[in-house]
Amino acid sequence: IAGITQAPTSQILAAGRRMTLRCTQDMRHNAMYWYRQDLGLGLRLIHYSNTAGTTGKGEVPDGYSVSRANTDDFPLTLASAVPSQTSVYFCASSDSVGSNEQFFGPGTRLTVL
Amino acid sequence: GQNIDQPTEMTATEGAIVQINCTYQTSGFNGLFWYQQHAGEAPTFLSYNVLDGLEEKGRFSSFLSRSKGYSYLLLKELQMKDSASYLCAAMDSNYQLIWGAGTKLIIKP
Repeated sequence: IAGITQAPTSQILAAGRRMTLRCTQDMRHNAMYWYRQDLGLGLRLIHYSNTAGTTGKGEVPDGYSVSRANTDDFPLTLASAVPSQTSVYFCASSDSVGSNEQFFGPGTRLTVL
Repeated sequence: GQNIDQPTEMTATEGAIVQINCTYQTSGFNGLFWYQQHAGEAPTFLSYNVLDGLEEKGRFSSFLSRSKGYSYLLLKELQMKDSASYLCAAMDSNYQLIWGAGTKLIIKP
């Protein structure tokens, strides 16, 4: 692994289904983030983690949950998907909170029907 | 509230210079970031300013005025590969990034 990876690349999901988006980084970064990107809007922070074992809510956390059991992994779960969660999801990491650079994964394109 | 404003789209000619402006309003301020995002790809870091003034990095420069809540990204000697969206983001007092919607830059030969 080099950098930060996400899986799946894309997914079509029926409304009401549960879905987990995976994110793994090998840079030993302490901080990790989940964003969604929608046309005409800026990236919006869903959840973040400043260090393993801690998580926090961002701007748009409703309908999403995260966990940070170790440094490398930061999965995002949609408990019961709704069409408004159709978006491109980016995972990112940084050395620490407030670092001057966040590194982004390639993104997951999610469509909820 | 917190807000980032930048133009939706700009067009420039290959070899020319273009300036992309960004104004911001945040609760506290811990720096201004510019990222580049090619269509269908992830954002990649371009620059970071926390003090007033100009930071130059090759063909790209970024300027910050904290008193005016204003930044710009200057791209010189434009190349076709510079066609992308440019995202402005300000870091607030909680060290979270507030993002603009991005400026789509179209380069014409």
